[in-house]
Amino acid sequence: DVKVTQSSRYLVKRTGEKVFLECVQDMDHENMFWYRQDPGLGLRLIYFSYDVKMKEKGDIPEGYSVSREKKERFSLILESASTNQTSMYLCASSSSGDFGYTFGSGTRLTVV
Amino acid sequence: GQNIDQPTEMTATEGAIVQINCTYQTSGFNGLFWYQQHAGEAPTFLSYNVLDGLEEKGRFSSFLSRSKGYSYLLLKELQMKDSASYLCAVSLYGNNRLAFGKGNQVVVIP
Repeated sequence: DVKVTQSSRYLVKRTGEKVFLECVQDMDHENMFWYRQDPGLGLRLIYFSYDVKMKEKGDIPEGYSVSREKKERFSLILESASTNQTSMYLCASSSSGDFGYTFGSGTRLTVV
Repeated sequence: GQNIDQPTEMTATEGAIVQINCTYQTSGFNGLFWYQQHAGEAPTFLSYNVLDGLEEKGRFSSFLSRSKGYSYLLLKELQMKDSASYLCAVSLYGNNRLAFGKGNQVVVIP
């Protein structure tokens, strides 16, 4: 069964902490994406990557960075967590030529 | 920028038919997806339209009109388990990214 795995389902961090959200896919997909989902705002794209060591800014990259050292792993980094980064974070992957996403189960991050 | 509009919420009765509309204005178009998302869970794929017309898949059908920038998802014989948010997403040119609408919350009542 193919899947996208996010390392944590729930996470609570303090303001100012550096936070790592990990995402691993086992489908050999080229493309990986990080979204955040907030009530009334829907899914908003933070960063995406279409190849190892490649990254592109999405619509709301401020306050975030990413790392893709291996094809299967895409990490989202909050350099200094703030309360307005409290959200549901969804990772997704897709294959080039097949435009549909497979989503991870999400990480609900609370910053206090 | 990308503009994808969906109604916010609708309520329907078990066994009924419901139509969820989506209009879009985007800088590119490579197809339109519908996803279902239950509360607290990840979105799951329902359908994909790239050509005009109706695609039927069991109780769910999806329609696309590219010239009008319009799609709908039709849910027939509603069941309680269909209570979920339904997300419309447009595939943009060049980089396989999807732009999502805010989702339509469907509540099925007995």
